[in-house]
Parts: sequence; structure tokens; C-alpha cells
Amino acid sequence: EAQVTQNPRYLITVTGKKLTVTCSQNMNHEYMSWYRQDPGLGLRQIYYSMNVEVTDKGDVPEGYKVSRKEKRNFPLILESPSPNQTSLYFCASSPGVGRGRAWYNSPLHFGNGTRLTVT
Amino acid sequence: GENVEQHPSTLSVQEGDSAVIKCTYSDSASNYFPWYKQELGKGPQLIIDIRSNVGEKKDQRIAVTLNKTAKHFSLHITETQPEDSAVYFCAPNRPGSGNTPLVFGKGTRLSVIA
Repeated sequence: EAQVTQNPRYLITVTGKKLTVTCSQNMNHEYMSWYRQDPGLGLRQIYYSMNVEVTDKGDVPEGYKVSRKEKRNFPLILESPSPNQTSLYFCASSPGVGRGRAWYNSPLHFGNGTRLTVT
Repeated sequence: GENVEQHPSTLSVQEGDSAVIKCTYSDSASNYFPWYKQELGKGPQLIIDIRSNVGEKKDQRIAVTLNKTAKHFSLHITETQPEDSAVYFCAPNRPGSGNTPLVFGKGTRLSVIA
């Protein structure tokens, strides 16, 4: 089944304790991205990646890191989490230019989310 | 960057009535206009999309209309049902180098009252 898998679904941690949220897709998509969702603010893009070893900042990258060493995986890293990073996080992927359709003209496929609480 | 506004932020309709959600954008270069539906506890899912060479697209009870001159596109749901209750997001895409963050509307919470 074609899907984007995020883990964990729920995570409670304390300020300053490094954590990683994993994201994996099995559709051979070139484009992957991370979003946070907060009440009243909708979905805001944190980082995105056009291809392996290529990552770019979204609108709210502060406090986050990502890596794209393999096409299928795009982990989100919080080196020193703070309470203002308490949020619902989504990973998404989309086909890339390699298939003749630019990512910006293709639908995003989302994971089911990771609810993070930082105390 | 792209400025995206979505209205209304909340919408309540009686079952069987129609619902319309509007998305306005600022970047005249945008050429792909999707709508996503997010049900409780799940990630957003594409429900319909339109490209800039088309003015309207329908898929059963759902339709999207596009007005490129005025820079807005709308989601239309007819004969609403309780399972249409969800949050809906628009996300106009622009072509180019690909180095542009994607901006979503803030979402519309639709409630269909049985």
C-alpha cells in the first residue's frame, strides 16, 4: 500500500532532550516536507527536500533540523526541544520532476501525524 | 512570498445544503490549485485539484472553480453529508525553481448538521 509513515504517533518529552521523528515513504517520491499544525495557524512548512542531499528551509525552520540521506526517509530532528514546539507534525511527499511532472504540480501525500508535547 | 487567505474559517450547514469555501492567493504565477480534507486524527488528503488552464472541475458532489484574473479558487460541496464534516485546506502552487516554501490557507472547519 502506498503510504507515508511517521513514528511515533504520540511523544511527550522534556525541554532540551533531543528527539527524532521519523518519516518514510514507499512511493519513490522525490519531494518530501515537514509541517507543523497549530490551532488558528493552519499548516506551516518547516523544511522541504527536492531530492537526496537537498534540503531547504520552509516558513518556520527555527529549532529544527532535517536530513535526506536516502530517497525514502526524511527525519525531523529537534536538538533541544522547547515548549513552543509542542504541536502536531505532519510529513508529506510528492512525485518530483523526474517523472515529468514537477512536484509543485502534484498532490501531497501526508502521514497521519505526530503529536508532540514538550514540558 | 505567497499570501494565502481562506474564508470562512468555520462553516456550519444543514445536511443536504451546499457549502462553499474560498481561497485567495497573491502570486499570479500559481498554476496548480488543490484542496485537502483533514478528518479528525488523520493527515490531510487531496480531494480535488485544478490546473490553470481549466476554469472548473467536478467530481460527483465536489467541484472546484478557478478565477485566475481575480486570483481566487473555491471549493463547492453539494448535498452535504455528515461525513463531509472536516477541516479543509487550500494550497496554491507556483512553478519555478522549486526553492519556494509551500503556503497553506489556515483552514475551514466545516460542520454538517444532521
